Amino acid sequence: GESVGLHLPTLSVQEGDNSIINCAYSNSASDYFIWYKQESGKGPQFIIDIRSNMDKRQGQRVTVLLNKTVKHLSLQIAATQPGDSAVYFCAESYSGGYQKVTFGTGTKLQVIP
Amino acid sequence: GAGVSQSPSNKVTEKGKDVELRCDPISGHTALYWYRQSLGQGLEFLIYFQGNSAPDKSGLPSDRFSAERTGGSVSTLTIQRTQQEDSAVYLCASSPMFRGEGYTFGSGTRLTVV
Repeated sequence: GESVGLHLPTLSVQEGDNSIINCAYSNSASDYFIWYKQESGKGPQFIIDIRSNMDKRQGQRVTVLLNKTVKHLSLQIAATQPGDSAVYFCAESYSGGYQKVTFGTGTKLQVIP
Repeated sequence: GAGVSQSPSNKVTEKGKDVELRCDPISGHTALYWYRQSLGQGLEFLIYFQGNSAPDKSGLPSDRFSAERTGGSVSTLTIQRTQQEDSAVYLCASSPMFRGEGYTFGSGTRLTVV
């Protein structure tokens, strides 16, 4: 079945450094990918998305990279700040049929001041 | 409202009791989703409502779980005869369209079954 998994359950990064959170997906038919940030006690918050016809998309301090060949997705956070500490989820969906979004387990990002 | 509102924020119930969890989506959002999040886990899809279409209930873990959405707006997730394994955070999200674009989550209801 479909699955979205993350390579590292916990990532510790020094404040000011760049963070890279990785994600592997298994459904080659997925054509839309999303990153969410979940702070403690809150629901997930949309960060950035990317469609399968793109390899890279940039937002404010964040960049998402998509490698369809190896079914890999990554989220890069530039100049990581303490406020970036959260759990990050990648998610995938397929527009050709029922468009349910499937979420991965999540990676906890800890920013060291 | 400005965001997705869920109530109650916390619920402690005794094993075997029924519970109702409420979700008020963003006004105008036609799609509404329920997810369950256990401690340290990802988001488990439960059910999806889209407009007047029949809901996708494929994620409901057992027949003790049911959900309805009245008037295309407010949704209620009901868990009958609660079990300890039902303890989790139940998250609701709404979206203006199918694809998960613009998914907005509520803060969730933390359910504890004792």
